[in-house]
Amino acid sequence: SSELTQDPAVSVALGQTVRITCQGDSLRSYYASWYQQKPGQAPVLVIYGKNNRPSGIPDRFSGSSSGNTASLTITGAQAEDEADYYCNSRDSSGNRYVFGTGTKVTVL
Amino acid sequence: QVQLVESGGGLVKPGGSLRLSCAASGFTFSDYYMSWIRQAPGKGLEWVSYISSSGSTIYYADSVKGRFTISRDNAKNSLYLQMNSLRAEDTAVYYCARFPPLSDILTLWGQGTLVTVSS
Repeated sequence: SSELTQDPAVSVALGQTVRITCQGDSLRSYYASWYQQKPGQAPVLVIYGKNNRPSGIPDRFSGSSSGNTASLTITGAQAEDEADYYCNSRDSSGNRYVFGTGTKVTVL
Repeated sequence: QVQLVESGGGLVKPGGSLRLSCAASGFTFSDYYMSWIRQAPGKGLEWVSYISSSGSTIYYADSVKGRFTISRDNAKNSLYLQMNSLRAEDTAVYYCARFPPLSDILTLWGQGTLVTVSS
């Protein structure tokens, strides 16, 4: 089955911009969605499709994609953005789903 | 209130069985595909299975295929996961989540139920 690879951890200064990437062959065919998970909580959808935010998600979150790489960008990171972030997409078969390995974002 | 509530987790011995339930409320359950996702302690998310709105289409991750069975009862607004031949590596928090048909996005998650497989 396909894999989605993310950097394990990134850090960003308060108010600065951070980009999280997700790489995988299936991303050439399918969009990634992005989920934020804070300790002890269920994941929450933050970005989906080409670059769509669910209601209630701040516009400092944005998404993009190129080739086999999807990206989540937080522009003007806030303390409350400190969390684990996971990408998700279909696998290469198109019938199953796969999550990325996850990225821990630390806001300094 | 729109929500999903999982139940049925607990401690089970290797080789044992457990049935998880997910109760949906506040939305038309039969309109949505449903999925199970799990997260081992301190680890990342792992997609487990999904079922279409009618129950006619089902897929499993290779790690659980042949051991787990997903099902739903639209009359009871409930999703289930029957887990057999459990292994230590199945220890995880199990989440149910909904996604609209023709969509790949998990728009609502439950709070999860912990399954521990240990002797």
